[in-house]
Amino acid sequence: LAKTTQPISMDSYEGQEVNITCSHNNIATNDYITWYQQFPSQGPRFIIQGYKTKVTNEVASLFIPADRKSSTLSLPRVSLSDTAVYYCLVANNAGNMLTFGGGTRLMVKP
Amino acid sequence: DAGVIQSPRHEVTEMGQEVTLRCKPISGHDYLFWYRQTMMRGLELLIYFNNNVPIDDSGMPEDRFSAKMPNASFSTLKIQPSEPRDSAVYFCASSIRGDGYEQFFGPGTRLTVL
Repeated sequence: LAKTTQPISMDSYEGQEVNITCSHNNIATNDYITWYQQFPSQGPRFIIQGYKTKVTNEVASLFIPADRKSSTLSLPRVSLSDTAVYYCLVANNAGNMLTFGGGTRLMVKP
Repeated sequence: DAGVIQSPRHEVTEMGQEVTLRCKPISGHDYLFWYRQTMMRGLELLIYFNNNVPIDDSGMPEDRFSAKMPNASFSTLKIQPSEPRDSAVYFCASSIRGDGYEQFFGPGTRLTVL
């Protein structure tokens, strides 16, 4: 079961790029890496998923090195509304349990 | 689609009482997940279903917890008897895949056991 490790918290300022790294040293060959965002009093919301190299969508980019033992979520030009908890998740379809780690609390300041 | 629907949104009960939480997943989603979130333990997966069949319930804390999915549009999570340590926010989520991809979470049920 792949365990994830993330920084507990990060601070940033509006307009900056934020990179949040997640370690998953025992990731399995068929595991995908997924990131979620959670605002207070709401359920988590899917941001992005990847398997290797780089994935980009309209809100974020996900960078995965060749060994896949870590991944980095990149949020370009954050705003105050990006203040939230960000979770890294490693899982596959083979029936293993999906484990959300402790998450990273991002605070964006004006 | 209205998204994942959960009821009730809030539940306050007394220790020893039975609690039933309900979830309606998004139509067409084959996977349904039940999570519990607390400040101390974070977000924990309790059980998940694929095509109405429970796949892994190893996250269910003990025999007091049970979950069913009688059809593709309805699931329940029952706690009997409830205890104060069960107080948490319980989320239901659904997805087309089981590998973490794009799970849609409901608004959650905030359970308080006195």
